[in-house]
Amino acid sequence: AQSVTQPDIHITVSEGASLELRCNYSYGATPYLFWYVQSPGQGLQLLLKYFSGDTLVQGIKGFEAEFKRSQSSFNLRKPSVHWSDAAEYFCAGGIFGNEKLTFGTGTRLTIIP
Amino acid sequence: DTGVSQDPRHKITKRGQNVTFRCDPISEHNRLYWYRQTLGQGPEFLTYFQNEAQLEKSRLLSDRFSAERPKGSFSTLEIQRTEQGDSAMYLCASSSGGGGVETQYFGPGTRLLVL
Repeated sequence: AQSVTQPDIHITVSEGASLELRCNYSYGATPYLFWYVQSPGQGLQLLLKYFSGDTLVQGIKGFEAEFKRSQSSFNLRKPSVHWSDAAEYFCAGGIFGNEKLTFGTGTRLTIIP
Repeated sequence: DTGVSQDPRHKITKRGQNVTFRCDPISEHNRLYWYRQTLGQGPEFLTYFQNEAQLEKSRLLSDRFSAERPKGSFSTLEIQRTEQGDSAMYLCASSSGGGGVETQYFGPGTRLLVL
């Protein structure tokens, strides 16, 4: 079965510190992968996506993610977080010919001064 | 490009009542999706349309749920005889139909509370 797993329910980091949010996937074929961010009570905003090609993808707001086939991972990183990055982050996957996205359960990011 | 819009943003209803939500996709996006998100969970796929045709429905979409996209533009999601378990955020997304997995752009959601 297709699945996306986010092992960390909640992460707390200090403002200015680096960040890495984990995402693991399980698909029979190479999936398309996305990271979305959701602020409280809001919809989802796309941060970045991986379809093919370069395994290191750049997104908005200074985020990047690296696709690692050997580890079935697509971790999200940011070198220096800002207080405004506090939100819920979702990893999602899909495959060619199957239109629905499968989401992880999300990681809530808290930023402390 | 004004983004995906959803109406209403919030809905409180009593158990047993019917509710209807509307989604307006990004103009010229021919694919439209509905997802449901419960507290502490990621969104779960409900159904999707290619133009006016409903091409896939999740098992989560019980007989009390019906979705339409009559002219291939906006879509409605109706829940009949609401139950407390229907309380959730209902998210709509749209994408262009270029083939394969396209980026889905989400609306702000409709939060439903069934009392």
